[in-house]
Amino acid sequence: SQQGEEDPQALSIQEGENATMNCSYKTSINNLQWYRQNSGRGLVHLILIRSNEREKHSGRLRVTLDTSKKSSSLLITASRAADTASYFCATRGSSNTGKLIFGQGTTLQVKP
Amino acid sequence: GAGVSQSPSNKVTEKGKDVELRCDPISGHTALYWYRQSLGQGLEFLIYFQGNSAPDKSGLPSDRFSAERTGGSVSTLTIQRTQQEDSAVYLCASSLSQGGMEKLFFGSGTQLSVL
Repeated sequence: SQQGEEDPQALSIQEGENATMNCSYKTSINNLQWYRQNSGRGLVHLILIRSNEREKHSGRLRVTLDTSKKSSSLLITASRAADTASYFCATRGSSNTGKLIFGQGTTLQVKP
Repeated sequence: GAGVSQSPSNKVTEKGKDVELRCDPISGHTALYWYRQSLGQGLEFLIYFQGNSAPDKSGLPSDRFSAERTGGSVSTLTIQRTQQEDSAVYLCASSLSQGGMEKLFFGSGTQLSVL
């Protein structure tokens, strides 16, 4: 079964608003990554946060990690229509460095 | 090429036929992954290669699915006696080995339709 669970499944906001997506996982992790997917095809890596980090920023992206709650959030600030895509969290287990397990994803629609 | 290349981009086949999907990873990437994504769903892990060996085949759905990697480069995913439930997008990704901090680079996928 997949490790990550994301919510909401779908999110619709107006351009300029912030978008927050959440991810929960089940087992101990080495790191957690967020990816973006346009048009149901290849994914693009956005950001990686290590298990000993609590927050990380990259441009308009802010990721938090709470290992005690086994959860992470991705915040996109000042959203743009071009941010419309599906966003997935992915975890790499602390005991298995090979496999990256993806969540079910959040579909974000940003209306112009 | 500069990115991960998958072929074909689309494949339509009849139930019961065998199909081969190809993945050409980024040059120098030692790790290679296969995932499957059904319409509107998340990514389902299939198999992972480190070099030519597959330490983790746990995601292969049945013995109709197999994969190999040769020369530490190109990989093929073979589905024998295809079924309609095999219809999905098959995604390949590659990465450098970075002590667990690898980020994956994905191809554009192969859309498989089994009629």
